[in-house]
Amino acid sequence: DARVTQTPRHKVTEMGQEVTMRCQPILGHNTVFWYRQTMMQGLELLAYFRNRAPLDDSGMPKDRFSAEMPDATLATLKIQPSEPRDSAVYFCASVKSDYSNTGELFFGEGSRLTVL
Amino acid sequence: RKEVEQDPGPFNVPEGATVAFNCTYSNSASQSFFWYRQDCRKEPKLLMSVYSSGNEDGRFTAQLNRASQYISLLIRDSKLSDSATYLCVVNTNAGKSTFGDGTTLTVKP
Repeated sequence: DARVTQTPRHKVTEMGQEVTMRCQPILGHNTVFWYRQTMMQGLELLAYFRNRAPLDDSGMPKDRFSAEMPDATLATLKIQPSEPRDSAVYFCASVKSDYSNTGELFFGEGSRLTVL
Repeated sequence: RKEVEQDPGPFNVPEGATVAFNCTYSNSASQSFFWYRQDCRKEPKLLMSVYSSGNEDGRFTAQLNRASQYISLLIRDSKLSDSATYLCVVNTNAGKSTFGDGTTLTVKP
């Protein structure tokens, strides 16, 4: 049963610490999205990649956030230094798509981050 | 203005009711449209795609109006199990998937 795998599922850390979240997309999916969800903001697009190339990271605070795809099976989202306002659920989603992307996004279960 | 806007609700309806959700989008170059469902504290899952001619899947009907940049979802004969948050999703021609903030539905006995 193919699924998107995210780690860690839960993370509690202190302000100022580095946080790295990982995502393994479904094998064969070439487009990967990172979303952040809070009660106040809904699902907010942070960044997305196609064929490992970043296409849009305009939703991501550049001073502290970075997203990469070291290879086709791993996407990472890093926050350094973390702040309490970063507390949220971070979702990764993947899809096999051409340029237009008309397919279904498959989501991981999310990484719930709490920054104290 | 947000790229995708939805009425947040909440919508509280009795079992058996018909309920409709609306969604508007700002990018006229948007190419494909979807409704996702999200249960409390879980990941979103695809409910249905939205086609230009409108489409139906059992008790669910989706409509698209490109001229007005408007998408709708109609749920007939609501069930308790329909209680969830419904998310409107719009894809641009560059493949970017943007979600609305969601509309919360609670179906009561």
